[in-house]
Amino acid sequence: DAGITQSPRHKVTETGTPVTLRCHQTENHRYMYWYRQDPGHGLRLIHYSYGVKDTDKGEVSDGYSVSRSKTEDFLLTLESATSSQTSVYFCAISELGAGYEQYFGPGTRLTVT
Amino acid sequence: GQQLNQSPQSMFIQEGEDVSMNCTSSSIFNTWLWYKQDPGEGPVLLIALYKAGELTSNGRLTAQFGITRKDSFLNISASIPSDVGIYFCAGQLRGATGGGNKLTFGTGTQLKVEL
Repeated sequence: DAGITQSPRHKVTETGTPVTLRCHQTENHRYMYWYRQDPGHGLRLIHYSYGVKDTDKGEVSDGYSVSRSKTEDFLLTLESATSSQTSVYFCAISELGAGYEQYFGPGTRLTVT
Repeated sequence: GQQLNQSPQSMFIQEGEDVSMNCTSSSIFNTWLWYKQDPGEGPVLLIALYKAGELTSNGRLTAQFGITRKDSFLNISASIPSDVGIYFCAGQLRGATGGGNKLTFGTGTQLKVEL
C-alpha cells in the first residue's frame, strides 16, 4: 500500500467554521491531489499540486484553498464550511515516470451541520 | 466536468460467475486505469493500461484498452465474495501542460455477489 495518511478520518463541524484536512505521504511523490466523492457525482478534483508551493485548481475548487509547504504534506482548507461541502474527501499522489497512476488515501468523512 | 460513462451501474451475480463491465468516453485518453473501492476506504488501483489494444491481466482480472482510445473493458473471472465493491474506470491525458496529469473518473459499477 502507498504510504498515504489522512487526518482526521472523521469530522463533524458547524456551518461557517474553518476546517483543515491534512494529507501526508511517505513516498516522496511530486504530485498530490484532493478529491471529493459524492453520490451521483463520483470523484471530482478540487485542487492539485505539482510541487512544493505549486498548486492549481480542479473542477470544483470554489470554497476551498490548499497549501503545500513540504513535499510530504498537502493541506485542504475550507475557510467557512457550508452544508454543501459535506462529503468524503480523498487525497491522492502520483509520480513522473511511473505511468502517472494515482494512489489514494483512506479518506476523510466531513459532515457540516 | 466531464465524466466517463460506465455500464452497468450495478450488477448482482452469483459466486463463480464471470463479470464484464465497460467504460466509454467522448474523449481520447492516453492511459486507462481501473480502481476498486470497498466501503469506507479509498480507491485501490487494480490495472493500468497505456496502449490502444493493450490487454493486461492481474490475477482473475483482465482489462483492455479499446483501439479507438475512447473505451476500456474490465473482466473478472470466477467471482468470489471479496470482489464485492464499486469499480471505477479513469482516463488520463499524460503530458498535459501545467502538470497534474489529471484523471477523469467514471460513474462506477457496483458489484454484489450472491453466495
